[in-house]
Amino acid sequence: AQSVSQHNHHVILSEAASLELGCNYSYGGTVNLFWYVQYPGQHLQLLLKYFSGDPLVKGIKGFEAEFIKSKFSFNLRKPSVQWSDTAEYFCAVNLANTGFQKLVFGTGTRLLVSP
Amino acid sequence: NAGVTQTPKFQVLKTGQSMTLQCAQDMNHEYMSWYRQDPGMGLRLIHYSVGAGITDQGEVPNGYNVSRSTTEDFPLRLLSAAPSQTSVYFCASSYDGSSYEQYFGPGTRLTVT
Repeated sequence: AQSVSQHNHHVILSEAASLELGCNYSYGGTVNLFWYVQYPGQHLQLLLKYFSGDPLVKGIKGFEAEFIKSKFSFNLRKPSVQWSDTAEYFCAVNLANTGFQKLVFGTGTRLLVSP
Repeated sequence: NAGVTQTPKFQVLKTGQSMTLQCAQDMNHEYMSWYRQDPGMGLRLIHYSVGAGITDQGEVPNGYNVSRSTTEDFPLRLLSAAPSQTSVYFCASSYDGSSYEQYFGPGTRLTVT
C-alpha cells in the first residue's frame, strides 16, 4: 500500500537552529508533494507544494523543501527557526492526476522551538 | 470571508448516541472533505464531495454518513457513536480537485465514552 513516513515524531530546537524534517513515501510513479502546518489552536494550512519543475520549492515563512526522486523524499528545511515555528508539520503525497481524495498524510512531526 | 467553519468545537457523547458535526464554507468551493486526526495516524479521509448532491467514501467511512444538499454545507453524521470514533475531526474545502490547496476548518474534538 502507498504510504508516507515521517520518522521524527517530536523535534525540539532552540531559536536560530536549523531545521530539517524528513518525509519519505512509497509511491511509484509521478507524485505531488505537500507540507502542511498546524500552529497551536489553529487549523491546518498549506506551507508549500511540489508538482513538477525545480525540485527545490520555496514556501511561506522561509521554509523550503527539496524533492529527491531517487530517495523518494521531500524533506522540509528552514535555516533558522523562530519560536513562532512551534507547530505540527504534516507531509502529504498523492499520485499526479488522481485528485485530492487520494492525498495521503504522514503521521506528523511536532516541533517545539524554545526561546 | 469566514472560510471554513465547524461546530461544535468540543463534544462528549455516550456510546450509541448519534450526532451531526456541522461544516460550512463561504468560498463557493465545489470540493469538500471530512478527515479524522488520531495520534500517530495522521489525517485520514472519511468522506468527500465533489459538488452538491455528490458524495463518496474515503479511507475510513464506516460509522459515518454525509450529504451535500448545498454547496456551502457538508454535515457529518455519526449514526451510533463508538469509543473508536474519539478523534479530532476536520472539514476542508477546495475550489477544484486538482489544486490540492485545501482550506481546513478549526476542527471538532469528539470524545465518546
